Amino acid sequence: DAGVIQSPRHEVTEMGQEVTLRCKPISGHDYLFWYRQTMMRGLELLIYFNNNVPIDDSGMPEDRFSAKMPNASFSTLKIQPSEPRDSAVYFCASKGGELFFGEGSRLTVL
Amino acid sequence: AQSVSQHNHHVILSEAASLELGCNYSYGGTVNLFWYVQYPGQHLQLLLKYFSGDPLVKGIKGFEAEFIKSKFSFNLRKPSVQWSDTAEYFCAVNEGYSGTYKYIFGTGTRLKVLA
Repeated sequence: DAGVIQSPRHEVTEMGQEVTLRCKPISGHDYLFWYRQTMMRGLELLIYFNNNVPIDDSGMPEDRFSAKMPNASFSTLKIQPSEPRDSAVYFCASKGGELFFGEGSRLTVL
Repeated sequence: AQSVSQHNHHVILSEAASLELGCNYSYGGTVNLFWYVQYPGQHLQLLLKYFSGDPLVKGIKGFEAEFIKSKFSFNLRKPSVQWSDTAEYFCAVNEGYSGTYKYIFGTGTRLKVLA
């Protein structure tokens, strides 16, 4: 298996623009997690899904953030409109037995 | 709510020195505990985990961790570090038996090993 696949790996955008981050979990994994990593706050859980259903989105910082999982092999995290303080590395992880992380999407909002 | 504290934010050691990174969690019920490592520019990888049984857990690359329930701690240790251990280390917890699988991570400890 190729592991958890995230795209894009790097994104630079301007404040106010819409950002969409994508994740393909490992096939057969029934849990999917979105995390945000910053120097100040470390690794924060934003939202997680079980069998494509959002279970806990209490970590989503604001209404500007939304996440979807339309099927078992794809999830998106959208930020609209983006702000400079959203700059971070966003990790997707999936869980079958253990938690496996993707390579991350580094977002820079100017 | 659960939380995980890693009190050492930055640690610098010389090669062959011994390592101990602290991790404390706040949750009164059954927990599963993990240490993850993130090498520079890479994603997080599982180092070791504790679910139940022997509180001394051995992981990959010579790392081990000890679960002390009375202290709510799960400290990571390695007797002799190498330059290649330079990385960021994250402690994580989730509730055991609840089925929520909500993994909460500490803020991480950056380890730099000097050659």
